[in-house]
Amino acid sequence: DVKVTQSSRYLVKRTGEKVFLECVQDMDHENMFWYRQDPGLGLRLIYFSYDVKMKEKGDIPEGYSVSREKKERFSLILESASTNQTSMYLCASSPGQGPDTQYFGPGTRLTVL
Amino acid sequence: KQEVTQIPAALSVPEGENLVLNCSFTDSAIYNLQWFRQDPGKGLTSLLLIQSSQREQTSGRLNASLDKSSGRSTLYIAASQPGDSATYLCAGARFGNEKLTFGTGTRLTIIP
Repeated sequence: DVKVTQSSRYLVKRTGEKVFLECVQDMDHENMFWYRQDPGLGLRLIYFSYDVKMKEKGDIPEGYSVSREKKERFSLILESASTNQTSMYLCASSPGQGPDTQYFGPGTRLTVL
Repeated sequence: KQEVTQIPAALSVPEGENLVLNCSFTDSAIYNLQWFRQDPGKGLTSLLLIQSSQREQTSGRLNASLDKSSGRSTLYIAASQPGDSATYLCAGARFGNEKLTFGTGTRLTIIP
């Protein structure tokens, strides 16, 4: 079974802090994704990566950056956390070579105070 | 730009009934349509994926259909059970694009 893990289930940070969210997949998938999920807005894509050191902006990249130094790990970085970044963050991976089923991690509920 | 809509936002159904969840999309140049399930506070679990060349997919009590000409997909759940209570999301992918566009989901409650 594909397993996607996220470093924290719940996280509380203060405004202005730098925040790292880590995601690891164990199936040698090419593609990895970061989404945020908010009530009434659904899942929105922040960034995705289709290879090591490659990244592409999604629909809402402002205020975020990403890092993919190894194939299995995709990190989401909030350079200076703000209250409007309080949300559920979901990581996903897919095998690659075009659109395919995405496998999701359990999510990180981030609260910025 | 692809837009995906799911109506209603919430649905309650007595246990044992069959039910249909709806998904509409605006761009008929769809590569595949996927259905996911999300339990409260959890990640998404893939249920069914329908390629653009297919009209339906089945898994157990679940059947998903795809009609590109009308821009619609449905998820049929037979003989509903309390364990089916969850939020169901559909998502569409375009040709040559790994990104998915998600609907906002339908929250399903099965009443024992």
